[in-house]
Amino acid sequence: AQKITQTQPGMFVQEKEAVTLDCTYDTSDPSYGLFWYKQPSSGEMIFLIYQGSYDQQNATEGRYSLNFQKARKSANLVISASQLGDSAMYFCAMREGQRGSGGYQKVTFGTGTKLQVIP
Amino acid sequence: EAGVAQSPRYKIIEKRQSVAFWCNPISGHATLYWYQQILGQGPKLLIQFQNNGVVDDSQLPKDRFSAERLKGVDSTLKIQPAKLEDSAVYLCASSKTGDSSYGYTFGSGTRLTVV
Repeated sequence: AQKITQTQPGMFVQEKEAVTLDCTYDTSDPSYGLFWYKQPSSGEMIFLIYQGSYDQQNATEGRYSLNFQKARKSANLVISASQLGDSAMYFCAMREGQRGSGGYQKVTFGTGTKLQVIP
Repeated sequence: EAGVAQSPRYKIIEKRQSVAFWCNPISGHATLYWYQQILGQGPKLLIQFQNNGVVDDSQLPKDRFSAERLKGVDSTLKIQPAKLEDSAVYLCASSKTGDSSYGYTFGSGTRLTVV
């Protein structure tokens, strides 16, 4: 079974509108973390936002927020007020393994969603 | 702080040739990762180092891929001999510890084309 599933290969959004990128995950580990990365055409992966499995509130970072629904095992990324510079690939990723334990943590990436912002 | 440095940026080789990629992580970052990203897919972890020791190399094709991190700083990933299916972007990333909660810092990657 896929650990991370991103069902939207591509998305379009009008500039200044909000957009939601979907991500579902599968793990039996009680302690895990979820990430979103942005990959522009230049190729570099840029860390956007992190949500821990025990965090009570949804994570927010500027225009990015993570809609974490633990029971549904979903971690959707919401980008508000889209800008042309937001056009890129977006990857959802999951960390399994106990944080801070000194033990090994494994991070698995999804297949990505290509977001295009239309002027 | 300076980012993760990778070189070369691009490389084209013929199948059965060998190639090496270099990565210099952010100063003070103990953990270094090599990822392979095939076109249209997400990055796949090849190997993870904690200082100069290997933490995970379970997805590294050890018959042709090798990696080292001497002195716990920079790292080299080698492919010998290369196959057509090795065409991909090779991303290096680093983090202060193995705790990935604050995200890794990635380099710009090396785009390998095997012809």
